[in-house]
Amino acid sequence: DGGITQSPKYLFRKEGQNVTLSCEQNLNHDAMYWYRQDPGQGLRLIYYSQIVNDFQKGDIAEGYSVSREKKESFPLTVTSAQKNPTAFYLCASSIRAGTTYEQYFGPGTRLTVT
Amino acid sequence: RKEVEQDPGPFNVPEGATVAFNCTYSNSASQSFFWYRQDCRKEPKLLMSVYSSGNEDGRFTAQLNRASQYISLLIRDSKLSDSATYLCVVTHDRGSTLGRLYFGRGTQLTVWP
Repeated sequence: DGGITQSPKYLFRKEGQNVTLSCEQNLNHDAMYWYRQDPGQGLRLIYYSQIVNDFQKGDIAEGYSVSREKKESFPLTVTSAQKNPTAFYLCASSIRAGTTYEQYFGPGTRLTVT
Repeated sequence: RKEVEQDPGPFNVPEGATVAFNCTYSNSASQSFFWYRQDCRKEPKLLMSVYSSGNEDGRFTAQLNRASQYISLLIRDSKLSDSATYLCVVTHDRGSTLGRLYFGRGTQLTVWP
């Protein structure tokens, strides 16, 4: 079964702790993306990667970090520097980066920080 | 000004009704346009792309007006299963081949029996 997996589905952390969200895809896609969704708002781009060992900041990268050591994997770390980390985090991938390529989303991780 | 503006609704319609959603985008360089559907607490899924000449997929019709920077989605003969949030999405390059997606806030639709 091809697709994107994100784990865990729900994650709870105390303020001040770093937390890493997992994203794995077996679609052989080059490009991967991380978005954040808050209630009543559209998705906002955090980081993206067009190819292994390369990634760029999106619109709201502050307080987040990523790595892309393998084509299949694009983990996101939410650091203690992120002021409002509680949100729904969505990972996506596309065959390659380009305006006409559909992005496929994983099921998301709901992070709650208290 | 936001990249993509949508009326958040909610739209509450009876089964069988026709309902239309609108969306405007701010960047005239926008290149590709999509409607995504998002069910409650789930990930977005592509509903349909929007082509310049307009396109139809069963009960769904999408229109694009580049001059007015306006996109629409028409749903005919609404079903209970159409209840979801509909996200308007545009892409444009900023000197890269990224193909970044810009999402509207979404329009919530509830179809009642």
